[in-house]
Amino acid sequence: AQTVTQSQPEMSVQEAETVTLSCTYDTSENNYYLFWYKQPPSRQMILVIRQEAYKQQNATENRFSVNFQKAAKSFSLKISDSQLGDTAMYFCAFGDDKIIFGKGTRLHILP
Amino acid sequence: NAGVTQTPKFQVLKTGQSMTLQCAQDMNHEYMSWYRQDPGMGLRLIHYSVGAGITDQGEVPNGYNVSRSTTEDFPLRLLSAAPSQTSVYFCASSYTGGVGEQYFGPGTRLTVT
Repeated sequence: AQTVTQSQPEMSVQEAETVTLSCTYDTSENNYYLFWYKQPPSRQMILVIRQEAYKQQNATENRFSVNFQKAAKSFSLKISDSQLGDTAMYFCAFGDDKIIFGKGTRLHILP
Repeated sequence: NAGVTQTPKFQVLKTGQSMTLQCAQDMNHEYMSWYRQDPGMGLRLIHYSVGAGITDQGEVPNGYNVSRSTTEDFPLRLLSAAPSQTSVYFCASSYTGGVGEQYFGPGTRLTVT
């Protein structure tokens, strides 16, 4: 069975700094997708970024980028120039026939 | 489009009562799923469906039943509620299953006393 591990329950950084959230996963599959979702205080789940496992190039979306290391089964999220609106829970997720989430990292951006 | 809708938004049950959480989507998505979110536990998959008439168990299926008679609706039934089922429940749907973007409903906060 697939598992997703987020080792940082909570983090705080100053506004405008860069922060990296860690995620590791375990699977025996070769083709799959990885995701980062954001859950702000409104509780709405929002897709931040998606990575296809067969693509070596790391995905980027504006200030958000990932470091995907397939052999190490690692999928970290980097947020550059962090903003107050980035304050949220961040979930790493693994998807193939279904999608499994990690326990989340609560990120605080401090003014 | 309304997207994914869930009713009710809040519910309080007594132990042993039954109820159905409703989920509907108007995006013609084949894939739908239910999650529960508990503090420190992230989102855990309860059941999922890849199309009408097809359902499968997720990580924490015990105590919950589902059926999928139409593409649009995916209700979650609690047959005999227990305090351990106190949680926030999210329904999600996707055009491309587990490899695609999941569209989430607003959630239902359930308290079992």
